[in-house]
Amino acid sequence: EDQVTQSPEALRLQEGESSSLNCSYTVSGLRGLFWYRQDPGKGPEFLFTLYSAGEEKEKERLKATLTKKESFLHITAPKPEDSATYLCAVPSFGGGGGADGLTFGKGTHLIIQP
Amino acid sequence: SQTIHQWPATLVQPVGSPLSLECTVEGTSNPNLYWYRQAAGRGLQLLFYSVGIGQISSEVPQNLSASRPQDRQFILSSKKLLLSDSGFYLCAWRRGPGELFFGEGSRLTVL
Repeated sequence: EDQVTQSPEALRLQEGESSSLNCSYTVSGLRGLFWYRQDPGKGPEFLFTLYSAGEEKEKERLKATLTKKESFLHITAPKPEDSATYLCAVPSFGGGGGADGLTFGKGTHLIIQP
Repeated sequence: SQTIHQWPATLVQPVGSPLSLECTVEGTSNPNLYWYRQAAGRGLQLLFYSVGIGQISSEVPQNLSASRPQDRQFILSSKKLLLSDSGFYLCAWRRGPGELFFGEGSRLTVL
């Protein structure tokens, strides 16, 4: 059973064209939702933590928001260097959660064309 | 500063051969350490985690094992590789709640 589902799987935008990535989750008693960025051939890099519905976090052209069922990563006026795979994650249910492991979605592969 | 090193970066191994991937962390003590695997179309899968020396927990049954012989060293091993073991292996340590700091990864191809 998937706890985290991301959409779309891939998104191609023109430079400057704003859009949003979606992350829906099915866990109850959410103990945080986390966004990561992954460049090709590298490990994911932490971006944001969100804990409660209505919370927002911003970093440069990225803004993450959270509702009771989903999170959005809004990208405003993106640049080619924003091209990457964006992953969302929730604390793992079960043993891994006891050590603060994370369950990740499959990611959205974002391409920003100049 | 805090760093995490993984090696080797890339390896190609025949089916049935052994495997050893190593991860070391610097700039922190008694970290929670994790091994993840990223396979095509499957996303990141948590394989093992460790909260201290000699303490290993496995998330999924598999052909792999992990060990933590020192506080900042985490090793992923296999006695006999399968084709399905191919993937991108990532070591990480917990820097804060929900914040994992990942290494550069080891890409394994089993032929």
